[in-house]
Amino acid sequence: DSGVTQTPKHLITATGQRVTLRCSPRSGDLSVYWYQQSLDQGLQFLIQYYNGEERAKGNILERFSAQQFPDLHSELNLSSLELGDSALYFCASSVPASGEADTQYFGPGTRLTVL
Amino acid sequence: GQQVMQIPQYQHVQEGEDFTTYCNSSTTLSNIQWYKQRPGGHPVFLIQLVKSGEVKKQKRLTFQFGEAKKNSSLHITATQTTDVGTYFCAGQDAGGTSYGKLTFGQGTILTVHP
Repeated sequence: DSGVTQTPKHLITATGQRVTLRCSPRSGDLSVYWYQQSLDQGLQFLIQYYNGEERAKGNILERFSAQQFPDLHSELNLSSLELGDSALYFCASSVPASGEADTQYFGPGTRLTVL
Repeated sequence: GQQVMQIPQYQHVQEGEDFTTYCNSSTTLSNIQWYKQRPGGHPVFLIQLVKSGEVKKQKRLTFQFGEAKKNSSLHITATQTTDVGTYFCAGQDAGGTSYGKLTFGQGTILTVHP
């Protein structure tokens, strides 16, 4: 158990819909990262938040957005869903305090299926 | 932007054989990390390498960081069925402020036949 929790574990929805994925980081971790993992794909970095502020952006679609709340939990919002958005979405957390890389602890993931 | 390439994409070995996966970055890295993802699981941190030419060992696993800090390798000696999974390298760019952001390689999927 990494200490990172993600809900829901599975999500099945239809094209055009909007969903929200939730992540609670490890206690004390200030950074939250979101990744997308499709079949036969590696981990595609989407976005990073640090202590409530957006710090880095990857290949995140405009239909996707995220935020980190004062209690440090984060939500990833996916809208106007398409079949191609079906994937495993991981949240990871780490400290880091000074720009140094630190171990990232991954949650169990949310498997999104768009029908 | 920074790219991290990892080869091979797939590796099938017989139990007892050795296995190596290689990682190359398009930019100089400040450090590189390795993660393992078991089938159906989530990535789990294995190790971090920081120094040029660094070599670290964990039992049957040997990790190397290149002298130019642009490449790395993971070698497993005498594979066991418990080694199955996907091995990812992840690098942090040495230039600029990346606030801990890592760029992951595509991963190598290791299958071990008993």
